[in-house]
Amino acid sequence: AQRVTQPEKLLSVFKGAPVELKCNYSYSGSPELFWYVQYSRQRLQLLLRHISRESIKGFTADLNKGETSFHLKKPFAQEEDSAMYYCALRFSGNTGKLIFGQGTTLQVKP
Amino acid sequence: NAGVTQTPKFQVLKTGQSMTLQCAQDMNHEYMSWYRQDPGMGLRLIHYSVGAGITDQGEVPNGYNVSRSTTEDFPLRLLSAAPSQTSVYFCASRELGRELFFGEGSRLTVL
Repeated sequence: AQRVTQPEKLLSVFKGAPVELKCNYSYSGSPELFWYVQYSRQRLQLLLRHISRESIKGFTADLNKGETSFHLKKPFAQEEDSAMYYCALRFSGNTGKLIFGQGTTLQVKP
Repeated sequence: NAGVTQTPKFQVLKTGQSMTLQCAQDMNHEYMSWYRQDPGMGLRLIHYSVGAGITDQGEVPNGYNVSRSTTEDFPLRLLSAAPSQTSVYFCASRELGRELFFGEGSRLTVL
């Protein structure tokens, strides 16, 4: 069955430390992977997508088809990165539905 | 632009009551969807639609009905509310092939 798994409910790091939020997926087709973020009192919003291979707010994520992973990384965490992060998988085709993982709360301590 | 608008923001129901969560978007997006957010469960897809007159089930459709009579609106109906439907509900829309835009959420409590 298609699923997205985020094994960590909570990740707590100190400011300046590296961050890696894990995401694994199970999908038989060609996956499109995304990271969405929900800051306190804000709407869920797109952080980045694997297709664009961009770095947003210092975050990057590489799709590893061999390991079926799409981990989110940042070399130096900032307090403003504290938020809930969701990994998401879109099914094949532009009309494809989007499913999410369980979410990981990132807490960056001063 | 208002984006994606959900009403009501908060609602308390008794078991067995019915209600409709409203969702409207003004971006002319073809795709609309409903999710529920529960602690430890993340966001789970309830129903989605790829255009007016077309709807399909997501991961957790039981207990919910949807319809899509216009491009702008995608209401979610609970016909007989149960405590297990206590959750935060999010509506989201997008152009086909693009990112999702979310509403602010509707917090529903079923007693």
